[in-house]
Amino acid sequence: EAGVTQSPTHLIKTRGQQATLRCSPISGHTSVYWYQQALGLGLQFLLWYDEGEERNRGNFPPRFSGRQFPNYSSELNVNALELEDSALYLCASSTYTRETQYFGPGTRLLVL
Amino acid sequence: GENVEQHPSTLSVQEGDSAVIKCTYSDSASNYFPWYKQELGKRPQLIIDIRSNVGEKKDQRIAVTLNKTAKHFSLHITETQPEDSAVYFCAVGSGGSGNTGKLIFGQGTTLQVKP
Repeated sequence: EAGVTQSPTHLIKTRGQQATLRCSPISGHTSVYWYQQALGLGLQFLLWYDEGEERNRGNFPPRFSGRQFPNYSSELNVNALELEDSALYLCASSTYTRETQYFGPGTRLLVL
Repeated sequence: GENVEQHPSTLSVQEGDSAVIKCTYSDSASNYFPWYKQELGKRPQLIIDIRSNVGEKKDQRIAVTLNKTAKHFSLHITETQPEDSAVYFCAVGSGGSGNTGKLIFGQGTTLQVKP
C-alpha cells in the first residue's frame, strides 16, 4: 500500500511570491492534515480537510489556505511569502473516524 | 491554551540501556496520545499510540504509560540500539465525537544511542 506522497520535495521562492504544495493521501483515507515544521521546532498544526471541507485550522494567518479535491488529494497555498515561512511542510492523512495520522515526506520550502 | 511540554530535549544512552521521554499536557479533554520517531531528513513515523481508556501499552521494546489524572505520559524504550537514534515527538489529540483533527506536538527529544 502506497503511503502519503507530497510534491515537490523542495521549493525555492522569493519573498512576496506564492507557493503551492501538493499532497496525496493513503488510499481509503478521506482526511488530510497540514503541519509546518520550522527548523529545530516541533510540528505546528495548519489545516484539516475532510470530504472536501475545511474542518479546522491552526493559529496561522489567512494567507495560508488550501483545498481538498474530490479524489481527497489536497493542496496548500501560501500567499505573500515571508522569510519566516521557510520550513518543512508535512501532510498527513487518516480515515475520518480514526485519529491516527500518517505523514508524508514533506516539502521543504525556502523563501529568499 | 493547549500546551505540550516534552523532556528532556536531548538524551544520550549507551546501547542496551533504557530511555525514557516524558510529556505533560494541559487540555483535560485530550484523549489520544501518539509518539512519532523522525530520523534525519525523513518523515515522522508513528511508533506507538495510546487512548485515554488505557493506562499502558507495549509493543516489543517500546511502551507508553499514561496518567490522565496528572496529565502526563511517557515513552519507554528498552534495550536501546543505535538505530533507535532519532528525534522523538509526543503529541496530544482529541478524538472520538470531539475530534478536532489537530495534534499538538511536543518540542521533540533527540535520542542518541552510543554503540
